[in-house]
Amino acid sequence: DVKVTQSSRYLVKRTGEKVFLECVQDMDHENMFWYRQDPGLGLRLIYFSYDVKMKEKGDIPEGYSVSREKKERFSLILESASTNQTSMYLCASSSPPKLTDTQYFGPGTRLTVL
Amino acid sequence: SQKIEQNSEALNIQEGKTATLTCNYTNYSPAYLQWYRQDPGRGPVFLLLIRENEKEKRKERLKVTFDTTLKQSLFHITASQPADSATYLCALGAGGGNKLTFGTGTQLKVEL
Repeated sequence: DVKVTQSSRYLVKRTGEKVFLECVQDMDHENMFWYRQDPGLGLRLIYFSYDVKMKEKGDIPEGYSVSREKKERFSLILESASTNQTSMYLCASSSPPKLTDTQYFGPGTRLTVL
Repeated sequence: SQKIEQNSEALNIQEGKTATLTCNYTNYSPAYLQWYRQDPGRGPVFLLLIRENEKEKRKERLKVTFDTTLKQSLFHITASQPADSATYLCALGAGGGNKLTFGTGTQLKVEL
């Protein structure tokens, strides 16, 4: 079974802090994704990566950056956390070349920025 | 702009009945459509995929239809059980690009 793990289930940070969210997958997947999920807005794509050291902006990249130094690990960075970044953050992975693009999600990190 | 619509109101049904959830989309030509289940405080879990050239797909008590003319997918759970209570998300993919666009989900509550 594919396993996607996220470093924290719950995180509380203060405005202006630098925040790192870590995601690790154990199935050698090429593709990794970061989403945030908010009530009424659904899942919104922040960044994704097709390969090591490669990244692409999603629909809402502002205020975020990412790092993919190893294939299995994809980090989301909030350079200076703000209260409007309080949300549930979900990491996912998938593997081409199948056109199915089924994504496997981690358990999520609920981030609160005070 | 691309838009995916799922009923935002919760669907309450009685145990044993068939639950039907709807996913409508506009300004999109998906190569396939997926359905995911999400339990509170957890990440979504993949359930079913249907391609643009398929009308219907089944898996145990689940059935998905895909009408590219109506731009709609219906997700059915037959003989529903309280354990089926969750939020169900549809997601559209264009194929090859690996990006999925998710709907906001519909919460299903199955009552005894």
